Amino acid sequence: EDQVTQSPEALRLQEGESSSLNCSYTVSGLRGLFWYRQDPGKGPEFLFTLYSAGEEKEKERLKATLTKKESFLHITAPKPEDSATYLCAVQRNRDDKIIFGKGTRLHILP
Amino acid sequence: DAGVIQSPRHEVTEMGQEVTLRCKPISGHNSLFWYRQTMMRGLELLIYFNNNVPIDDSGMPEDRFSAKMPNASFSTLKIQPSEPRDSAVYFCASSFVGGPQPQHFGDGTRLSIL
Repeated sequence: EDQVTQSPEALRLQEGESSSLNCSYTVSGLRGLFWYRQDPGKGPEFLFTLYSAGEEKEKERLKATLTKKESFLHITAPKPEDSATYLCAVQRNRDDKIIFGKGTRLHILP
Repeated sequence: DAGVIQSPRHEVTEMGQEVTLRCKPISGHNSLFWYRQTMMRGLELLIYFNNNVPIDDSGMPEDRFSAKMPNASFSTLKIQPSEPRDSAVYFCASSFVGGPQPQHFGDGTRLSIL
């Protein structure tokens, strides 16, 4: 069964304290892996697409990496405005469905 | 550029009433998705359309739920009759068909069934 598991469920960091969020996936034929950010009361906002193992993408303090079984979202020197829920999702080759993990709630303390 | 537009943003109604949620996708996108989000189950895909045609409705929980897409710029999700367990945030998303295309989400409708 295709599934996406994110860890940890929640993470509290001090401002400037770097860390990584994990996304483990099982899918029969990966078309792409996506990272989203979701703020309270808002819809998920697209951050990155990763297509194949070894690929990396960066945006400001965020860097996403991909292996054959998992993806990491590295956060370097985070700021309070990086506080949000981060969602990982995979799209399968055989259709257009995207399967979402339950997310990691990140809280950056000033 | 206008993103995905959903209405209403909030809906509070009594059990047994009909509820209709509306979505306008991003212009030019030809895939549309309806999701439900709860704390317990996260984001669940209910149904999706390609080129206005329903492709997979296996996530629709019961016959009380129905969705239509009469044209490329409008879709509805209807619940009739509504029940308290339907309370959740409902999201609409759109994208292009095929390829590893990310979906772009609206800000959702927060539905409360009393």
